[in-house]
Amino acid sequence: ETGVTQSPTHLIKTRGQQVTLRCSSQSGHNTVSWYQQALGQGPQFIFQYYREEENGRGNFPPRFSGLQFPNYSSELNVNALELDDSALYLCASSIGQGAGGSQYFGPGTRLTVL
Amino acid sequence: KQEVTQIPAALSVPEGENLVLNCSFTDSAIYNLQWFRQDPGKGLTSLLLIQSSQREQTSGRLNASLDKSSGRSTLYIAASQPGDSATYLCAVGQAGTALIFGKGTTLSVSS
Repeated sequence: ETGVTQSPTHLIKTRGQQVTLRCSSQSGHNTVSWYQQALGQGPQFIFQYYREEENGRGNFPPRFSGLQFPNYSSELNVNALELDDSALYLCASSIGQGAGGSQYFGPGTRLTVL
Repeated sequence: KQEVTQIPAALSVPEGENLVLNCSFTDSAIYNLQWFRQDPGKGLTSLLLIQSSQREQTSGRLNASLDKSSGRSTLYIAASQPGDSATYLCAVGQAGTALIFGKGTTLSVSS
């Protein structure tokens, strides 16, 4: 059984650029949630995708968008990058929508915005 | 709005001590509470998941309790080891969202 994987591991961008982060969910999981973790903080919920539809969103602006594919893998896109977007981006997969089941996290993508 | 608080923010103990990490939340309407471990710069590893109808869960040297009415959970670590050094995060699951996290407790166990 393959766990949750994320790519790339590290990424450096400049302010104003756009970035796409990728997540492959654990086998059998149909839900992916994305989180942003700034240094020294707990992860903050960005949004969740369940069966290719957005199913809940945290307090993030529209320049944070996502997709989920038929194989339940997911992308997080961030447009017009700002310095404060520098963080560890985590995805988690689970079975079923919402927060009813246990979430399994990937290793994260470290994004640095210069 | 749900807020999750973890106390203390940091904790240093000698090897072999038993210790308790605290988590409190402001809204008792939760589905579950989950404890995670995070090593520096890494992803999260799930330690224990307590459903809202449960009072506690145990895994090896770890025991987590949940008192939903008072908005509190504790993570008890028995006979701590240097390998337990990490940041411990608690998170609550609620309707319409995924997980809401505290800021974590950073634990250091010295040999």
